[in-house]
Amino acid sequence: ETGVTQSPTHLIKTRGQQVTLRCSSQSGHNTVSWYQQALGQGPQFIFQYYREEENGRGNFPPRFSGLQFPNYSSELNVNALELDDSALYLCASSLDGALARTRKNTDTQYFGPGTRLTVL
Amino acid sequence: AQSVTQLGSHVSVSEGALVLLRCNYSSSVPPYLFWYVQYPNQGLQLLLKYTSAATLVKGINGFEAEFKKSETSFHLTKPSAHMSDAAEYFCAVSRAGTASKLTFGTGTRLQVTL
Repeated sequence: ETGVTQSPTHLIKTRGQQVTLRCSSQSGHNTVSWYQQALGQGPQFIFQYYREEENGRGNFPPRFSGLQFPNYSSELNVNALELDDSALYLCASSLDGALARTRKNTDTQYFGPGTRLTVL
Repeated sequence: AQSVTQLGSHVSVSEGALVLLRCNYSSSVPPYLFWYVQYPNQGLQLLLKYTSAATLVKGINGFEAEFKKSETSFHLTKPSAHMSDAAEYFCAVSRAGTASKLTFGTGTRLQVTL
């Protein structure tokens, strides 16, 4: 069973640029959630994708957008980067929906190692 | 709406001493509760979870937590601290029933001294 992977591990951008972060979910999982963790803070929920559609969103502006692909991997896109976007971006995968009721540990999100984004 | 309060942003214990990290939650629906640990420059690792079965939950690395509905608490304990336990610990709450969005506390940094 492969775990959650994220790429790249580190990224440096300048204000106003755009960035794409990638996440591969744990095998057997169909749901991906993205979180932003600013330095010294707890993770904040950005949004969740289930069956290639957004399934819940936190208090983040529209310049934060995402995609989920048929293989359940996901991208997080951030446009018009601001200095405050500097953070660790965490991806978490889980199993939701009808399949969830037949499996164990379906109530748990498993996290990847994160992508550290620095905006200068 | 759900929220989590972790009392004490920094906790320091001696090696071999009891570890107690506090977490109180607020939820308008039955909650699931989680403790995650984060080592420097790494992602989050699940320590343990409460999902409406037994109120005393045992996790990895000797940690356990007790769900107390009357006190809206889910404190994390370990009888004897090891140096390797030094890390950041996060308590989180979600809506019961699915792996829906997690709401995290601000974290508690555990320091273990000789």
